[in-house]
Amino acid sequence: GENVEQHPSTLSVQEGDSAVIKCTYSDSASNYFPWYKQELGKRPQLIIDIRSNVGEKKDQRIAVTLNKTAKHFSLHITETQPEDSAVYFCAARGAGSARQLTFGSGTQLTVLP
Amino acid sequence: DGGITQSPKYLFRKEGQNVTLSCEQNLNHDAMYWYRQDPGQGLRLIYYSQIVNDFQKGDIAEGYSVSREKKESFPLTVTSAQKNPTAFYLCASSLGLEETQYFGPGTRLLVL
Repeated sequence: GENVEQHPSTLSVQEGDSAVIKCTYSDSASNYFPWYKQELGKRPQLIIDIRSNVGEKKDQRIAVTLNKTAKHFSLHITETQPEDSAVYFCAARGAGSARQLTFGSGTQLTVLP
Repeated sequence: DGGITQSPKYLFRKEGQNVTLSCEQNLNHDAMYWYRQDPGQGLRLIYYSQIVNDFQKGDIAEGYSVSREKKESFPLTVTSAQKNPTAFYLCASSLGLEETQYFGPGTRLLVL
């Protein structure tokens, strides 16, 4: 089945700096890659997603890039703010009979004021 | 997100006891899912259902059971066969298997 690895597990940045979180996946047939933000004790919430026919997608301060050849995708947050502090999860969805989402292990992002 | 509810928020299980976690959605979604989240780990899929009266095992189904008798409801039973049930349980739903998943607020299960 699909295997998703996420790095780093923890990330601290100064307010206003950029943050980058990277994920790799194993199934070359995977075609959908969402990113979720989870605040402590709360539900994961979708912040951005990308499909395999697109290389990059941007939404205000958040962007996701996808490299299908290398089988990796990244989350970029610019001009970070303290409220960006949370755990971020990447995920990949396979194709055909394996259409479930497989999640990475998460990145704890801390934005220091 | 507000269309998916889970209850209770906290649940305590005694040794040898079966407990049932509730998940309800009013989004008219066909697909529903149960995930388990342990500290420092990602979400792992327990069971999912593509449509009413149908469900499939996920990666860690042992010790769990589900039913899907109504489109709106997908309860999860944690049986006594699940030896390490302490975790945060998240329910999700989507229009279809290939659509965006939205999560409920979660149930934290603790063993007494």
